[in-house]
Amino acid sequence: SYVLTQPPSVSVAPGQTARMTCGGNNIGSKSVHWYQQRPGQAPVLVVYDDTDRPSGIPERFSGSNSGNTATLTISRVEAGDEADYYCQVWDNSDHVVFGGGTKLTVL
Amino acid sequence: QVTLKESGPALVNPTQTLTLTCSFSGFSLSTTGMRVSWIRQPPGKALEWLARIDWDDDKFYVTSLKTRLTISKDTSKNQVVLTMTNMDPVDTATYFCARTRSMYVFDAWGQGTVVIVSS
Repeated sequence: SYVLTQPPSVSVAPGQTARMTCGGNNIGSKSVHWYQQRPGQAPVLVVYDDTDRPSGIPERFSGSNSGNTATLTISRVEAGDEADYYCQVWDNSDHVVFGGGTKLTVL
Repeated sequence: QVTLKESGPALVNPTQTLTLTCSFSGFSLSTTGMRVSWIRQPPGKALEWLARIDWDDDKFYVTSLKTRLTISKDTSKNQVVLTMTNMDPVDTATYFCARTRSMYVFDAWGQGTVVIVSS
């Protein structure tokens, strides 16, 4: 089965840039989607198809995907960005695969 | 505005069958390309996709739970129902329904419903 690996935690100071990775075998050949989940809330789609943003998501959120690593980048981090972030792909054997999630802490 | 809301029992006994309902508005499951999925999240753990139903009544299930899951829709009521048989304490989780775009982009989620499996 396909596995997505995310670091458990990332910390960043306000105003700085946060980069969260999602590793998978040849993930660059797949479309990666990212979700933000604030404590006690439902997930929210922030990036889809590697680099696209749904309407209403700030331009500070961006994505990239190449080789064995996809990355979600949040520029000019704000306190409100503190949340868990999950990457997700479609795999033809497992249908949907989620990563284990990364907790973003804003210092 | 797209909204989804899950409903169902908060407490289920082991071995019982769980029935959850997703009521939605702002879109129709009779529209070509529309899909709804169920996803769950055990306490403190990651998300796990469970099942998907499409506008044309195609259905898909996670392999590990396929024998226990059934997904169905009532287009006239704008509802999707998930049943899970033989519930176990490890099935304790928050269960979400989500509108699904393309094949598997979850672009709108319900608030989730907490299900505890315990005797």
